[in-house]
Amino acid sequence: NAGVTQTPKFRILKIGQSMTLQCTQDMNHNYMYWYRQDPGMGLKLIYYSVGAGITDKGEVPNGYNVSRSTTEDFPLRLELAAPSQTSVYFCASSPTTGTGFSVEKLFFGSGTQLSVL
Amino acid sequence: GESVGLHLPTLSVQEGDNSIINCAYSNSASDYFIWYKQESGKGPQFIIDIRSNMDKRQGQRVTVLLNKTVKHLSLQIAATQPGDSAVYFCAETRSNTGKLIFGQGTTLQVKP
Repeated sequence: NAGVTQTPKFRILKIGQSMTLQCTQDMNHNYMYWYRQDPGMGLKLIYYSVGAGITDKGEVPNGYNVSRSTTEDFPLRLELAAPSQTSVYFCASSPTTGTGFSVEKLFFGSGTQLSVL
Repeated sequence: GESVGLHLPTLSVQEGDNSIINCAYSNSASDYFIWYKQESGKGPQFIIDIRSNMDKRQGQRVTVLLNKTVKHLSLQIAATQPGDSAVYFCAETRSNTGKLIFGQGTTLQVKP
């Protein structure tokens, strides 16, 4: 299993450009997440999904969009890139036990480092 | 609103000593807590978790303590090693929501 795969690993955008950060997992996990991590800071939840066709806003959703058409994929879209979106973006997934949040752990991808100049 | 915070941004310990990393949370409805370790340039890795019906859980060299009365969580690392140097995050969630919120993080530095 590859686990959680994020692409690209690095990207530089100009202000106003748009892009999609890709995330795919091959573990058949229901829950998927997007977090951003600014330098020296913790992870802030952008969006999450508890299953295909279902997405919810996290702590910092403004400026982003997501979709979850399949269990495997959870892309994050930036429509009009701004310097404030310069950050490292992590995608994660988690299995569920059917009794609520899993007692298992989140599996993280290796991150996408995005700079908006 | 929800918030999870850490008391100390940086903790420096001598190799072989025990480390204690603290975390405060504000959402009394949270019922599941996790500690993660993040090494430089990598994504967070699961260390240990605890449910709200427990006040202590032990793993290999690590122990998590939960005090629901004061909404406080701690991670104890026994016999700290250089490989333990990393940033440690606590995270909280409430069952059936799927929403996992992270705290700011504590950098652990282990001196040889």
